[in-house]
Amino acid sequence: GDSVTQMEGPVTLSEEAFLTINCTYTATGYPSLFWYVQYPGEGLQLLLKATKADDKGSNKGFEATYRKETTSFHLEKGSVQVSDSAVYFCALTGGTYKYIFGTGTRLKVLA
Amino acid sequence: NAGVTQTPKFQVLKTGQSMTLQCAQDMNHEYMSWYRQDPGMGLRLIHYSVGAGITDQGEVPNGYNVSRSTTEDFPLRLLSAAPSQTSVYFCASSRTGQDSPLHFGNGTRLTVT
Repeated sequence: GDSVTQMEGPVTLSEEAFLTINCTYTATGYPSLFWYVQYPGEGLQLLLKATKADDKGSNKGFEATYRKETTSFHLEKGSVQVSDSAVYFCALTGGTYKYIFGTGTRLKVLA
Repeated sequence: NAGVTQTPKFQVLKTGQSMTLQCAQDMNHEYMSWYRQDPGMGLRLIHYSVGAGITDQGEVPNGYNVSRSTTEDFPLRLLSAAPSQTSVYFCASSRTGQDSPLHFGNGTRLTVT
């Protein structure tokens, strides 16, 4: 079945450092890919999405490119802030009405 | 805009008790779903619905019931609570359930003793 694998956390960075959180997927067909962010005590919020190969999703300085050849959707940000500290989830939906989530990666940014 | 509203925020149950977690959305979304979030396991789909009167099972449906009598509401029923159902539960909705993003409620933290 479809699955999402993302890097284990926690990831600890200093403010203004470059961020990469790896995400790879397994799916039949052509899934849509998402990154969600969860702040403490809250539900998940959509960060960005991409619906077809080579699409780049971007929001709030975060970017991710849908790479079909490597089945990847890595999340990047050029300069993180303390306020980016949260848990990040990679997810896909393959047209089966089932959204599949990765296990989440906790990011901690130090001032 | 309210979005997706879940109640209660916190709940403690004794083993064997039953309860209903409420979920309502005001975005006229056809698709609604319930997830549980456990440490190290991400989010796992319990049940979902693609419209009023239509529900289906997700990855971990045992011990839970759902119904969808209106577009707005999608309650989750625990029939006989067990300690293994201690978790954080999230309700989420989307316009189509295909490639449209999910909108999440703020969750219900359930403890079963």
